[in-house]
Amino acid sequence: DAKTTQPPSMDCAEGRAANLPCNHSTISGNEYVYWYRQIHSQGPQYIIHGLKNNETNEMASLIITEDRKSSTLILPHATLRDTAVYYCIVRENKVAGTYKYIFGTGTRLKVLA
Amino acid sequence: DVKVTQSSRYLVKRTGEKVFLECVQDMDHENMFWYRQDPGLGLRLIYFSYDVKMKEKGDIPEGYSVSREKKERFSLILESASTNQTSMYLCASTNRDRGPSSGNTIYFGEGSWLTVV
Repeated sequence: DAKTTQPPSMDCAEGRAANLPCNHSTISGNEYVYWYRQIHSQGPQYIIHGLKNNETNEMASLIITEDRKSSTLILPHATLRDTAVYYCIVRENKVAGTYKYIFGTGTRLKVLA
Repeated sequence: DVKVTQSSRYLVKRTGEKVFLECVQDMDHENMFWYRQDPGLGLRLIYFSYDVKMKEKGDIPEGYSVSREKKERFSLILESASTNQTSMYLCASTNRDRGPSSGNTIYFGEGSWLTVV
């Protein structure tokens, strides 16, 4: 079962900030939150990940609540090329030497001109 | 740049055929994964491997098997393809986990679109 919950779809005006929420209420103490996006017909692309503190890179910012039960991915100035499905994922507990990365159904973001 | 390469982008196979989907990574990663992606269902884990010759079932292993004879290569096998295996298949890899606080990034290939007729 997916460990994250995201809204199925969102719209955002071009040039505005896109704020994509994610609930991960069962996240365990030291597990990271990851964000990926998938543009149609391509493999998912890594965006950002974080543990407790807010993170920022050249693509996006990640805000994690203090209780770590939810997070928000922020695309500061959305462009048409940011139209994609965005996945928030956490890792399952370690099984047989590695972690399972469990993807939910994601949020389909449409950036509008 | 890191690279995960899936051998076939588009395949059409007949029901009952044996199908091989090949994946190669050039990052010396220990862990490799196979997912399938279907509309409305997101990505679902089929099998994963954490070392050569080691494999573990994911959430939907039925009808599939895998092979990992070399570190860089992870193959997904459909022993007898069926129409309900028509899907997009994604291969991925990561470094060996360094503990629960490690932040390994998972890298994906471009996907293989399989149609079984």
